[in-house]
Amino acid sequence: QQQVKQSPQSLIVQKGGIPIINCAYENTAFDYFPWYQQFPGKGPALLIAIRPDVSEKKEGRFTISFNKSAKQFSLHIMDSQPGDSATYFCAASKGSARQLTFGSGTQLTVLP
Amino acid sequence: DAGVIQSPRHEVTEMGQEVTLRCKPISGHDYLFWYRQTMMRGLELLIYFNNNVPIDDSGMPEDRFSAKMPNASFSTLKIQPSEPRDSAVYFCASKNLAIGAEQYFGPGTRLTVT
Repeated sequence: QQQVKQSPQSLIVQKGGIPIINCAYENTAFDYFPWYQQFPGKGPALLIAIRPDVSEKKEGRFTISFNKSAKQFSLHIMDSQPGDSATYFCAASKGSARQLTFGSGTQLTVLP
Repeated sequence: DAGVIQSPRHEVTEMGQEVTLRCKPISGHDYLFWYRQTMMRGLELLIYFNNNVPIDDSGMPEDRFSAKMPNASFSTLKIQPSEPRDSAVYFCASKNLAIGAEQYFGPGTRLTVT
């Protein structure tokens, strides 16, 4: 019930491509869905987040698509750049404490 | 603000030794989280505090692990005795619920137990 399943484990795209990372959850009590970006040797940092009352959110080149009925959400990176190469984690939380349950992570490599 | 501060950044110790990891959250934040990151298990929540009080420690793997938050600006995660399987990167994160749900992570402590 607490799991968040993330795929793929790794992803390689060419510069300018549109990598898509997918996540699925079971617990319908989740009400906050953030994506975190982590560079080697650093802690994760919030990239973008969405709540279940909207189906899409864009911030710059990053877009979250959310499908409440399917209990799935995904991250799209438009016009990807080598600097986007990092590990991306989806997460979900419920309740006022916003205790996060993380997906397993996707290592993205954007080739120049 | 300097962000979440963790020390040490790297720790190498021998099996059986006591290890203490330290965290200074962002000033004004009322929640503090300890995570462990490994290749096999990803990011795992170990314990979190609200206003210095431990709320959920169900993620603490064994009695060898303990965490304290004596005041709003300091927390420790102690492993005693340490074992090789404790080798991981340990992250501390904090947030201010009144501002939003975002957790701010520290740079982590890479622990190696030989």
